[in-house]
Amino acid sequence: DQQVKQNSPSLSVQEGRISILNCDYTNSMFDYFLWYKKYPAEGPTFLISISSIKDKNEDGRFTVFLNKSAKHLSLHIVPSQPGDSAVYFCAASANKAAGNKLTFGGGTRVLVKP
Amino acid sequence: NAGVMQNPRHLVRRRGQEARLRCSPMKGHSHVYWYRQLPEEGLKFMVYLQKENIIDESGMPKERFSAEFPKEGPSILRIQQVVRGDSAAYFCASSPGQGGLDTQYFGPGTRLTVL
Repeated sequence: DQQVKQNSPSLSVQEGRISILNCDYTNSMFDYFLWYKKYPAEGPTFLISISSIKDKNEDGRFTVFLNKSAKHLSLHIVPSQPGDSAVYFCAASANKAAGNKLTFGGGTRVLVKP
Repeated sequence: NAGVMQNPRHLVRRRGQEARLRCSPMKGHSHVYWYRQLPEEGLKFMVYLQKENIIDESGMPKERFSAEFPKEGPSILRIQQVVRGDSAAYFCASSPGQGGLDTQYFGPGTRLTVL
């Protein structure tokens, strides 16, 4: 059972425009959500996170939105830069219920065209 | 400011051999997690450890896999009698474990190839 889903396997965007990555989850016990960026042959790099008590968190060019009723979150990157080309993973944890293990989505490959 | 260290970065084993993967957490972090990424898939949780304790091993295969995080030294993920299906990237993450919402930071991974 896939508790975290990223339904878009890939996304292509022009440099300077907005990239919007989506993530859906099914487990209502999830209370912490994170986005990671991954380059080939490297480990995931933490980008931004959001607690379930918030609906928005912003850090520089990155903003994460959480819609608890829809069990949906999104990552906005604006403006997109060529160095943002990577695979982005959404992850969730149920800290209060089940410790800290992360459940990952399948990833979205982003290509930013110059 | 060293991040999470993993070694080796690449490991080649023949079927039936043992693989040992090492992970040193970030300074000040007492919690270690292991994840596995099969080709073209997302990362899957394997095991969560604190010093000398396995907290959650719900993602570990029942046989051949074991993990430890001793009082001194790195965390070790051990795979006995490797098979081709064990070929994957194995990532270690660490977190401060200060309670509440605990962000995990990942190492560069060990890419295991079983011939």
